[in-house]
Amino acid sequence: DIVMTQSPDYLAVSLGERATINCKSSQSVSPSSNNKNYLAWYQQKPGQPPKLLIYWASTRESGVPDRFSGSGSGTDFTLTISSLQAEDVAVYYCQQYYSTPYTFGQGTKLEIK
Amino acid sequence: QVQLVQSGAEVKMPAASVRVSCKASGYTFTAYYLHWVRQAPGQGLEWMGWINPSSGGTSYAQKFQGRVTMTRDTSISTAYMELSRLRSDDTAVYYCAKVPGAYYFDYWGQGTLVTVSS
Repeated sequence: DIVMTQSPDYLAVSLGERATINCKSSQSVSPSSNNKNYLAWYQQKPGQPPKLLIYWASTRESGVPDRFSGSGSGTDFTLTISSLQAEDVAVYYCQQYYSTPYTFGQGTKLEIK
Repeated sequence: QVQLVQSGAEVKMPAASVRVSCKASGYTFTAYYLHWVRQAPGQGLEWMGWINPSSGGTSYAQKFQGRVTMTRDTSISTAYMELSRLRSDDTAVYYCAKVPGAYYFDYWGQGTLVTVSS
């Protein structure tokens, strides 16, 4: 199984500042055949299902604000929120969909400092 | 608009079975795979498996092999997940989630809390 490890587990950032969450996979989630990275990011608020933010590591889902961006390749990925808003308080998860079982990171809880 | 509406909360005894339903609307039910993901209280997300609504074909995570069964009824655009031989550590919110092709999840059901307790 591919193990997804996020860092940090907890992050407090001031409003308007940048938030950066990292995700590392135990093996590459990018096959050499197509150079795509099989990595997605989700946001989950209390009592709600996860919401898709980013797929293919860097493609923003329709309707997601452009302050959210994804980057990285191979085994190391980053979710960046360029200017934190109050409504961004949530838990964020990365997920690999390269191979079964499709696994998630343990989550990063983001709060306002 | 795409919607996945799940059945209500369940309380089950250990060793019992539970069936959760997921009714799809707003898209062609048979065109996209549906997956099931669970989340224990205060914990992360765990993938359980998928069903191809068109063929009924399934694939399950090894952890759940022999205990989980995913089915569908195309006449009512509904998928089902049945988990048997329930244990206390099966207490979780169970989600159905649609994929657009590749296996990232673009739409989720609202979740169904299954509590296993004697």
